[in-house]
Amino acid sequence: DAGVTQSPTHLIKTRGQHVTLRCSPISGHKSVSWYQQVLGQGPQFIFQYYEKEERGRGNFPDRFSARQFPNYSSELNVNALLLGDSALYLCASSLVLLGIHGYTFGSGTRLTVV
Amino acid sequence: DQQVKQNSPSLSVQEGRISILNCDYTNSMFDYFLWYKKYPAEGPTFLISISSIKDKNEDGRFTVFLNKSAKHLSLHIVPSQPGDSAVYFCAASVTGNQFYFGTGTSLTVIP
Repeated sequence: DAGVTQSPTHLIKTRGQHVTLRCSPISGHKSVSWYQQVLGQGPQFIFQYYEKEERGRGNFPDRFSARQFPNYSSELNVNALLLGDSALYLCASSLVLLGIHGYTFGSGTRLTVV
Repeated sequence: DQQVKQNSPSLSVQEGRISILNCDYTNSMFDYFLWYKKYPAEGPTFLISISSIKDKNEDGRFTVFLNKSAKHLSLHIVPSQPGDSAVYFCAASVTGNQFYFGTGTSLTVIP
């Protein structure tokens, strides 16, 4: 069984540009969450989607948006990139809404903003 | 504001001995606590969880202890193995879907 897959694995963008990150959850998983991990810090919650609806939003500016498609895959979009957006972006999936039994994380997309 | 703190950035332990990783939190409303392990170039892997109605949960070599009055949890690994060398994150949630992570503790198990 394929795990959580994220694309691309690495990305370099220029300040002010826009970026789209993609995530495919484990087959059958209906919940997708996005986390940002800055170097030396723990992952920070950005969004959760469940059954195509936003079910949680972290403390991130409106430049960050996301959506979930009918096949439960998800996109994270970031507009007007800043240098501080450079981070590892992690996608996590779970079968149900609550992640109290643990999420399955992908390997992440490493975004570098120059 | 860091609601979940792991004050030890690193820990070294001899193979076969006990590893104890600590985590403190500030939000008394947290109901669910998880531990994740992360190897370089991989996403975090779920290890073990505990809810606030329990004070201990065990899974093989891994045991998590929760002290609600002290707002403290710990992960015990016994016996420690070289393959346990990784970064360990604790995470906590009020709602069960938005998790706050600590900054991680890098564990090195020395053969």
